[in-house]
Parts: sequence; C-alpha cells; structure tokens
Amino acid sequence: EAGVAQSPRYKIIEKRQSVAFWCNPISGHATLYWYQQILGQGPKLLIQFQNNGVVDDSQLPKDRFSAERLKGVDSTLKIQPAKLEDSAVYLCASSLDWISEQFFGPGTRLTVL
Amino acid sequence: QKEVEQDPGPLSVPEGAIVSLNCTYSNSAFQYFMWYRQYSRKGPELLMYTYSSGNKEDGRFTAQVDKSSKYISLFIRDSQPSDSATYLCAMTNLNTGNQFYFGTGTSLTVIP
Repeated sequence: EAGVAQSPRYKIIEKRQSVAFWCNPISGHATLYWYQQILGQGPKLLIQFQNNGVVDDSQLPKDRFSAERLKGVDSTLKIQPAKLEDSAVYLCASSLDWISEQFFGPGTRLTVL
Repeated sequence: QKEVEQDPGPLSVPEGAIVSLNCTYSNSAFQYFMWYRQYSRKGPELLMYTYSSGNKEDGRFTAQVDKSSKYISLFIRDSQPSDSATYLCAMTNLNTGNQFYFGTGTSLTVIP
C-alpha cells in the first residue's frame, strides 16, 4: 500500500512570497489533515477535510493560509504572503474515516528567510 | 496551560536500557491515547494506542495510562539503537471529533 505523498520535500522562500504544498493521501482515505510542526514542537492541526468538505479549520490562520481538497482526493495548502514564523514542517495525514488511524506523509520543510 | 505536556529531553541511554517516556494532560475528556515515533526528516508513525486506563504491551513496548492522574507513559525494554527517534504522545476526545493534541516530543538516543 502506497503511503501519503507530499511535495515538494523542501522549500526556501523569502518573506512575503507565496508558496503551495501538495498532498496525495492513501487511496480510499476520506479524511485528510494538514499539520504544522515547528522545530521542537509537536504537530498542530491546521485543517481537517472529510472528503472535500472542511470539518475543522479553527487553527488555520485564514488571513494568509488557505487549503482545498478538490474532488475529495488530493489537497493543496497555500501560504500567501509568508512570514518568518511560518518556517516549519507541514505534514499531511490521511485516515480511512475520522475515527481511524492517521497515516502521515514525510512532510514539506519550509524555510522563510 | 497546554493541553498536553511532554518533557522534550533529550534522553540518551545505553543499548539494552529500559526507557520511560511520559506525558501529562489537562483535559479529562481525552479517552484515546497514542504514542508516535518520528525519525529524523520523516512523518510520525503510530506505535501504540489505548482507550483505557491500564497497561498495553506490544513486544518491547508498554503503554500505560492513568486517567485519575492524567498521566501516560511509554516504556521501552531492551532499547536498541534503532529506537533512536523522537517520541510524541497524542490524545483526543472522539466524542468531539478526532482532533489530535500532541506533546512536544521527547528526543531519544540509544548508544550502542
């Protein structure tokens, strides 16, 4: 079974630039999550999708972050404009449904200069 | 107060030692507790989970939950160099959705 795929693996941008991350969940997984993991901290949930609908985006900084999951499969997370404090690893996870085990991708490491 | 507190370490032990990793939490509604292992530059992977107070054993790993004290532990017996990783505790209240609350992670190094 293929795991959760993410790209790019690494991204370096300057502050105020825009960036987008892509996630392909495990086939058949209805629930998709985006987490932000700042160095030395545990992952923090940014947004949770059930199919193509948003279940929880209470911790998503909506003035600069946006996410979509068209057709209930792949998802993109965008930051526009980026700030220095957005430097982190962005993890995508998926699960069969909202109550099942979450499987994490390798993450995208973002550095904002 | 953070939802979940975890000592970040780092923890360094000799091969074969017993390792104890711990988390405390503040929300008494949490009822599903997990331990994830995260190798450098990888995503977390589920190691163990438990729903209730008590012990759960899986090979060299034992997860322990004390709901009355809001305290969970992960014990690793006969630790191996391949156990060197960051260990994250996580918990959730399934009655209000499946948002995971993670600890900060404890960095463990097992020295051969």
